[in-house]
Amino acid sequence: AQSVTQPDIHITVSEGASLELRCNYSYGATPYLFWYVQSPGQGLQLLLKYFSGDTLVQGIKGFEAEFKRSQSSFNLRKPSVHWSDAAEYFCAVGNYKLTFGKGTLLTVNP
Amino acid sequence: GAVVSQHPSRVICKSGTSVKIECRSLDFQATTMFWYRQFPKQSLMLMATSNEGSKATYEQGVEKDKFLINHASLTLSTLTVTSAHPEDSSFYICSALPRGSSYNEQFFGPGTRLTVL
Repeated sequence: AQSVTQPDIHITVSEGASLELRCNYSYGATPYLFWYVQSPGQGLQLLLKYFSGDTLVQGIKGFEAEFKRSQSSFNLRKPSVHWSDAAEYFCAVGNYKLTFGKGTLLTVNP
Repeated sequence: GAVVSQHPSRVICKSGTSVKIECRSLDFQATTMFWYRQFPKQSLMLMATSNEGSKATYEQGVEKDKFLINHASLTLSTLTVTSAHPEDSSFYICSALPRGSSYNEQFFGPGTRLTVL
């Protein structure tokens, strides 16, 4: 069965600081991996995805993620966080059916 | 492109009534749509997979008679919560898989907030 673990429930960073959100997955084959962002009361917006190829994936809003097969990880990074990045972030895995992690709430301090 | 809409965005109903939520793919055809449920401060849980022209496939623990899904066209799927009760209050999100997509990337709607009094 596929599963996703996001170890950090809540992260607080200062504006301008770097960010890394962790995601570990369990999947029987080559995974399709996704990072989504959700603002309060809203749907999900896709930040980036990995299907194959280059293990460092660039996404929207300055985010990137690195797929590390040996560690079963797909961590999301951003070099400099903006106040507008405050939201809930979900990592997901799956080919056709998606399994989501429990999410990481990001708070950005001014 | 790849926009998915949901209607209504919010609905409040009395216990025992039925509520219908629509999910539409606006600029693409979707042979498959998914319905998720999200409780406050929790993750999305897949409820069912809706395929155009066939019966929906429900995840374990989801009551098919309570959550009726109809996918009558390539751009519309509906979720009807029958005889709703306060415990059905939740945020319902749909997603759509473009027809012929080779990467299985789902596009999500904005969600529907259901409150059952």
